[in-house]
Amino acid sequence: SQQGEEDPQALSIQEGENATMNCSYKTSINNLQWYRQNSGRGLVHLILIRSNEREKHSGRLRVTLDTSKKSSSLLITASRAADTASYFCATDAGFELVFGQGTRLTINP
Amino acid sequence: DAGVIQSPRHEVTEMGQEVTLRCKPISGHDYLFWYRQTMMRGLELLIYFNNNVPIDDSGMPEDRFSAKMPNASFSTLKIQPSEPRDSAVYFCASSLQGVNSPLHFGNGTRLTVT
Repeated sequence: SQQGEEDPQALSIQEGENATMNCSYKTSINNLQWYRQNSGRGLVHLILIRSNEREKHSGRLRVTLDTSKKSSSLLITASRAADTASYFCATDAGFELVFGQGTRLTINP
Repeated sequence: DAGVIQSPRHEVTEMGQEVTLRCKPISGHDYLFWYRQTMMRGLELLIYFNNNVPIDDSGMPEDRFSAKMPNASFSTLKIQPSEPRDSAVYFCASSLQGVNSPLHFGNGTRLTVT
């Protein structure tokens, strides 16, 4: 299946720094989505970017999409302790949304 | 809007017992998805419904798993008989336009089968 793969698997940074996570996928998509998951909770949708879009912003989040390289990145600027979570990219495969294994982000105070 | 509601939050049962997980999607969402999350396999789609009709159940592990959606506001995932390898967190999610719109997840049911 066309599973997104996040890189790195884990990232630890200091509060206030920027965090960048990458996602690669294998086949063509209609859209790519990013989700956050806090420990013991369900996934929360962050941003949906369509295949004809190159960049989207939402608050401190910036997502880019490069369909020629089949890759996307999620940038969190001015990180906060509350941003500590796992982040997943998900790509559409027909009628299914396929999730990657996630990046575990830790923000150190 | 209360979001997607799942129950129970935790379930501990013995091997061989029947387990029923419940989900109430967001009102007006036509799509409902059941996912399973484990450390080894990540998030796996088990089955999804559109307008209460099961569309794709190819992710259901085996005949021990069944899912129903008797109406637009309720779905169940049943495991009978349960096995230790079924231990995982089971998530229900709903959306307006399938995978072309955001999925809204419940907080999951953590199932432990001993």
